[in-house]
Amino acid sequence: ETGVTQTPRHLVMGMTNKKSLKCEQHLGHNAMYWYKQSAKKPLELMFVYNFKEQTENNSVPSRFSPECPNSSHLFLHLHTLQPEDSALYLCASSQDGGTLSTDTQYFGPGTRLTVL
Amino acid sequence: QKEVEQNSGPLSVPEGAIASLNCTYSDRGSQSFFWYRQYSGKSPELIMFIYSNGDKEDGRFTAQLNKASQYVSLLIRDSQPSDSATYLCAVNPYQLTFGKGTKLSVIP
Repeated sequence: ETGVTQTPRHLVMGMTNKKSLKCEQHLGHNAMYWYKQSAKKPLELMFVYNFKEQTENNSVPSRFSPECPNSSHLFLHLHTLQPEDSALYLCASSQDGGTLSTDTQYFGPGTRLTVL
Repeated sequence: QKEVEQNSGPLSVPEGAIASLNCTYSDRGSQSFFWYRQYSGKSPELIMFIYSNGDKEDGRFTAQLNKASQYVSLLIRDSQPSDSATYLCAVNPYQLTFGKGTKLSVIP
């Protein structure tokens, strides 16, 4: 595996389900990110982890719960989601977590989530 | 509030022409600027970044930055149908702020 991988690629869930999204980066980076991309809206940063520590939480509802066990793996746990949470969820990684202005983010393929 | 503005398009250019994509940003403290390309149903992929005022060229792509005008652009020379995608401008004073993207269509 190379780059940033995400599983599953597609997910359909009911509002009462609990599911998890997984992201793994093979780039030796120290920071990982979750973004939400909805139609006709810009990419929305959800969470940032730098050296396994959460450094950003952009007022994300508690029904989204991130977990970062190490610098290579990132999870997004989902529970009691709403239909408006249907979107493409993208994981990204970078070397320095934004502490350097030259820090560059690389994205995984995304998980297309549909909440019924 | 940090904002990054892009014309949503679609921008249509004939094959072989120069495509010009523009982006303005509100945060004067922004230090780095990125262009990503996103094909329909795919994730963003980095095309290039620019930090200093002026032009930066990479193959058929040229990024132009004017910090005084808070303006960054991407020129694509000899546009190909495979360049048809949405182009996202992202600006970094600390964390990346993305624009909504400009949809480019290159007509054969």
